[in-house]
Amino acid sequence: QKEVEQNSGPLSVPEGAIASLNCTYSDRGSQSFFWYRQYSGKSPELIMSIYSNGDKEDGRFTAQLNKASQYVSLLIRDSQPSDSATYLCAPKVIYNQGGKLIFGQGTELSVKP
Amino acid sequence: ETGVTQTPRHLVMGMTNKKSLKCEQHLGHNAMYWYKQSAKKPLELMFVYSLEERVENNSVPSRFSPECPNSSHLFLHLHTLQPEDSALYLCASSQGTSRPWGEQYFGPGTRLTVT
Repeated sequence: QKEVEQNSGPLSVPEGAIASLNCTYSDRGSQSFFWYRQYSGKSPELIMSIYSNGDKEDGRFTAQLNKASQYVSLLIRDSQPSDSATYLCAPKVIYNQGGKLIFGQGTELSVKP
Repeated sequence: ETGVTQTPRHLVMGMTNKKSLKCEQHLGHNAMYWYKQSAKKPLELMFVYSLEERVENNSVPSRFSPECPNSSHLFLHLHTLQPEDSALYLCASSQGTSRPWGEQYFGPGTRLTVT
């Protein structure tokens, strides 16, 4: 089993729709979770972090965390063509004296005008 | 992108060359990271430095040698690389002391091609 699994995509949604990106992780000790956006040819950009069960909203983005199910998701409301990118899920796993981020392979999102 | 800078942005080197990648962070962070990103593969953590001390060496071949002279600068020295080492090399930084693994901010990366 992979440590972090994401829908491989590509996920295609029409402009204005809700895009739903899913991620499951294997380490039950993970306490912090991060979503990164990576445009083609660019480096990852941190867009959301979530630490507690439930929802966290930031503008058009909502992160949802369910630690019991080892599941974290990212919803993008009113999707725009500029949201077209690969989205990386990264739980922090406890390791040695601190921890490290384990990145999923990413979900490619395409928003069609 | 300006918080963490990397040079060069593109590098082509032969298998017998020696080169270095440079990373500089302007965010006042005290932890810095090297990642490797190959096509269609997840980001791979290579090295971590916290307060200039290496705290992670993720089974990386010795042909990659990191150096962290201070909390703002990080280098990756390369020698006798293989074609499979061609990838995007990303530097990141974060804030933290006992737990230096918080929100990480990435530089633009160095696209490395080994011929």
